[in-house]
Amino acid sequence: QKEVEQDPGPLSVPEGAIVSLNCTYSNSAFQYFMWYRQYSRKGPELLMYTYSSGNKEDGRFTAQVDKSSKYISLFIRDSQPSDSATYLCVFIRGTSYDKVIFGPGTSLSVIP
Amino acid sequence: DVKVTQSSRYLVKRTGEKVFLECVQDMDHENMFWYRQDPGLGLRLIYFSYDVKMKEKGDIPEGYSVSREKKERFSLILESASTNQTSMYLCASSPDTLEASGARGEQYFGPGTRLTVT
Repeated sequence: QKEVEQDPGPLSVPEGAIVSLNCTYSNSAFQYFMWYRQYSRKGPELLMYTYSSGNKEDGRFTAQVDKSSKYISLFIRDSQPSDSATYLCVFIRGTSYDKVIFGPGTSLSVIP
Repeated sequence: DVKVTQSSRYLVKRTGEKVFLECVQDMDHENMFWYRQDPGLGLRLIYFSYDVKMKEKGDIPEGYSVSREKKERFSLILESASTNQTSMYLCASSPDTLEASGARGEQYFGPGTRLTVT
């Protein structure tokens, strides 16, 4: 079983739709959770960070963590064409950078 | 704004060649990283460095080496390039250790170098 699983997509939605991006994980040692966004021909950039179960909102973005079920989600409300990118879920299971695990990413296209 | 630059956007090399990938950051960050990104596999850490002249192996160091002679510059070296090293290579930097940042450890990435080994 892979440590982190993420549907690669591609996911295509109309502008204004609510988008749900999900990752599941198998390692209970994961304590911190992030989402990075990667635009085409660019490096990833941090979008959201959380460490507790529950929801965290930032504008149109909501990060959800369910530690008991071992999944995390990123919701995008009122999606815009500028949200078209690859979204990477990221997990941390220690205090060294070699304990940071990146998911493979989901490619999202928001169609005007 | 943090800026991480990589020396080449695209690179084509032949099998057996020695390849140098250069990365420079302009924000005086302590930590620097090299990843490779392959479809379906995500980012995999090759090497990272906490300080000048220091290096730590990541998940896939075989076939690679690194050099950090100055704080702002971190080089990735493919001693003898092979076709299975064809990939996107991403450099990143971070100002804090994971511990100091409360495990946030935000990493700032360069645009990547697409390396093709033929």
